[in-house]
Amino acid sequence: DADVTQTPRNRITKTGKRIMLECSQTKGHDRMYWYRQDPGLGLRLIYYSFDVKDINKGEISDGYSVSRQAQAKFSLSLESAIPNQTALYFCATSDSGTSGTGYEQYFGPGTRLTVT
Amino acid sequence: RKEVEQDPGPFNVPEGATVAFNCTYSNSASQSFFWYRQDCRKEPKLLMSVYSSGNEDGRFTAQLNRASQYISLLIRDSKLSDSATYLCVVSQGAQKLVFGQGTRLTINP
Repeated sequence: DADVTQTPRNRITKTGKRIMLECSQTKGHDRMYWYRQDPGLGLRLIYYSFDVKDINKGEISDGYSVSRQAQAKFSLSLESAIPNQTALYFCATSDSGTSGTGYEQYFGPGTRLTVT
Repeated sequence: RKEVEQDPGPFNVPEGATVAFNCTYSNSASQSFFWYRQDCRKEPKLLMSVYSSGNEDGRFTAQLNRASQYISLLIRDSKLSDSATYLCVVSQGAQKLVFGQGTRLTINP
């Protein structure tokens, strides 16, 4: 089984709808992240969380919210989806206890979201 | 100016060739450096970390030049399976990885 899972894998929704993307991990990592990827722009950080009580905005948090329900679960919500939120969304985890090279992140398989 | 810049390519090289990518970063406080690989429609996966002294992993060699703020990746004896997008990634700390837009590589038989 995959260490980092995301649901749904694909979603088509209409403008104005609320949608939630979910991420679960079995790696035992304390840190979790949400990114979006757009062609030509690379991955951009939306939100990140260092533990259950910690939520931080990333580079492009407007229009998004998150919830860290447990150490293993981190969900991303679009309260009112708009077409320019069409993108590939990735969840990632890392371990604060990692020594040496530091802070490698492990990604889920991604959710392809289309807002029409 | 982007924090991490890469030539997007595409690079098309014959199997067995040596290919090199460069990446520049703008924040001199950057602490950790990585190359990730991303196959089409898949998640990024760590290829290798980049150490100050340079490091090698099989056919892959990574170099870091802090003075000039660039990172390189060299792939020797390229294989068809090396076809992917290579992402240069820089960290200013655990809370933030900054990704380049990626360099697309195609190895031709």
